[in-house]
Amino acid sequence: GQNIDQPTEMTATEGAIVQINCTYQTSGFNGLFWYQQHAGEAPTFLSYNVLDGLEEKGRFSSFLSRSKGYSYLLLKELQMKDSASYLCAVLDSNYQLIWGAGTKLIIKP
Amino acid sequence: GAVVSQHPSWVICKSGTSVKIECRSLDFQATTMFWYRQFPKQSLMLMATSNEGSKATYEQGVEKDKFLINHASLTLSTLTVTSAHPEDSSFYICSLAPRDYNEQFFGPGTRLTVL
Repeated sequence: GQNIDQPTEMTATEGAIVQINCTYQTSGFNGLFWYQQHAGEAPTFLSYNVLDGLEEKGRFSSFLSRSKGYSYLLLKELQMKDSASYLCAVLDSNYQLIWGAGTKLIIKP
Repeated sequence: GAVVSQHPSWVICKSGTSVKIECRSLDFQATTMFWYRQFPKQSLMLMATSNEGSKATYEQGVEKDKFLINHASLTLSTLTVTSAHPEDSSFYICSLAPRDYNEQFFGPGTRLTVL
């Protein structure tokens, strides 16, 4: 079966750095997405990785290792507004998005 | 990124009635559209996928006669919840994918409450 694993909840301090991990087992791979979702709102796109390595975009960076079936989202200089759920999703061989359950990130002052 | 609109944003209806939710792409042609449902504190659950020129493909456990999906054009998809029941109360979100699949653009979602 297809499976995406990510921690259920994480807590971090304002101004700090946090890394949210995601491991996956899917039938084929056509890229991995990270989305941010605030409570009661639709997800918003953060990043897309299809090649191994680190993609940096401002305070957010995403890393992918296809051989390990592993990705992480790195958030720097945390702000209170970063409190949200972060969803990892993999595009499988049929171009279907397989979603993780999401990681709820709580930022404390 | 692309702009996707959904209408209505929220709807309250009586049990047994039908509700239509519209999803529009405002600035690009979407060859693939997805409908998701999300219950509180749970992840997105894909309900169905529709591709340009073909009927929707429903995920296992989703009743196609209850959740009617019409990919009317490259900029419009509709989801009709027929004979809605309280257990259908959920957050319904559409997303659109351009041809190269490297991003999905989500609508703002529709919160459905069935009394």
